[in-house]
Amino acid sequence: EDQVTQSPEALRLQEGESSSLNCSYTVSGLRGLFWYRQDPGKGPEFLFTLYSAGEEKEKERLKATLTKKESFLHITAPKPEDSATYLCAVRDNFNKFYFGSGTKLNVKP
Amino acid sequence: DSGVTQTPKHLITATGQRVTLRCSPRSGDLSVYWYQQSLDQGLQFLIQYYNGEERAKGNILERFSAQQFPDLHSELNLSSLELGDSALYFCASSSENFNEQFFGPGTRLTVL
Repeated sequence: EDQVTQSPEALRLQEGESSSLNCSYTVSGLRGLFWYRQDPGKGPEFLFTLYSAGEEKEKERLKATLTKKESFLHITAPKPEDSATYLCAVRDNFNKFYFGSGTKLNVKP
Repeated sequence: DSGVTQTPKHLITATGQRVTLRCSPRSGDLSVYWYQQSLDQGLQFLIQYYNGEERAKGNILERFSAQQFPDLHSELNLSSLELGDSALYFCASSSENFNEQFFGPGTRLTVL
């Protein structure tokens, strides 16, 4: 069965302390891996789509990478405004989407 | 603001009742997706429509149904409601590439 597992569940960082979030997946025919950011009480906000192993994408302090089994979201020198829940999702061969349970990031000033 | 609108924002109803949630996609987007987010289950994909046609089906219960109208807005109908249906329901839309989804603000459903 297709599934997505994110770790850690929660991460507390000091401002400027870089780290990585992990998303491991099993899927029948990966048609895309997605990262979203979600603030409390709001809808997820699209960050990146990755399609094949070795692909990397960057946006400001965030960089997403993809291997055949997992994806990492690297956060470089985070700021308090980066605090949010980061969600990973995959799309399979049947156009179904599976989301992980998210990593709740808290960046302290 | 993603450009996706959802109404109502909040809905409180009783078990056994039926409700309809409405979604208007971003201008020009042909695909609409529905998701359920609860505390214990995370974000669950329910169903996707593309230009009025059902394209993919996820973990949508038989008590739930959806449709997309010619003007591209979509409705999610939930019937015979149970306490466990209490959740945030999100609608998202995307352009033809089906991948970059823009989420609406959600409808919070409370079943008492």
